[in-house]
Amino acid sequence: GAGVSQSPSNKVTEKGKDVELRCDPISGHTALYWYRQSLGQGLEFLIYFQGNSAPDKSGLPSDRFSAERTGGSVSTLTIQRTQQEDSAVYLCASSLGNTGSETQYFGPGTRLLVL
Amino acid sequence: RKEVEQDPGPFNVPEGATVAFNCTYSNSASQSFFWYRQDCRKEPKLLMSVYSSGNEDGRFTAQLNRASQYISLLIRDSKLSDSATYLCVVNRAGGYNKLIFGAGTRLAVHP
Repeated sequence: GAGVSQSPSNKVTEKGKDVELRCDPISGHTALYWYRQSLGQGLEFLIYFQGNSAPDKSGLPSDRFSAERTGGSVSTLTIQRTQQEDSAVYLCASSLGNTGSETQYFGPGTRLLVL
Repeated sequence: RKEVEQDPGPFNVPEGATVAFNCTYSNSASQSFFWYRQDCRKEPKLLMSVYSSGNEDGRFTAQLNRASQYISLLIRDSKLSDSATYLCVVNRAGGYNKLIFGAGTRLAVHP
C-alpha cells in the first residue's frame, strides 16, 4: 500500500513569502505528526493531530506556523512570512493510533529553503 | 539539558566490527523506547522497539535500563549498508504517541 506522501519535495522561497506544505498520511491512520529537522540536527516536534480531538500545537515555534487537518486525512502546514531560520526539512508522519507504542511512518519530507 | 541525549559520533568502524551506541533520557516516566534509522537525505524508519527485557533482531540487540534511564543498541558483524544515523527515540510520558528524538549517532562502516 501507499506510504506517507508529502508535497512539494523541495521548495525555494523568498523571505517574507508564505508557504504551504502538504501531507497525505497512510489510509486509516488516525494520528498525524509534523516535525522539523534542521541540517545536522534531530527531529523537532511541531504539531500532532488525533482524530477529531484538538491538536497538540505545543511544538509550533511561533504564531507564523499553523496546520490544519481536513476530514481527518490530509494535512497542510502553513508558514507565514517565512524567515531564513525556517529553512529545514519538514517531515510528516502518521500512525495507526495513539497509545504510545505504534510505529510512526514518515513521509520523504519537504526541503524548504528560504532565501 | 536535552530530553534525549546521544553521542553524535561519527563512529567509523571496519566491516565485521561490533559497535554499540548509548542514549540517555531525562523523563523517568517515559514509557516506550525505539531506535530509528535515518539514511542520508532520507526519512527516519523504525529499526526496532526496545523492551525492558532486552530484545534482539538478527545482528541488532537493544537494551533498556530504566533505573539508569539508559538505552543501548549493539550492532554485530557490521555491514557497509549499516552506515546511517541511528536515532534514539522516547515516547513522552502522558499517554499519547508523542515521540522525542535524539539528535542521532552517525555510523560509518568502511571496507
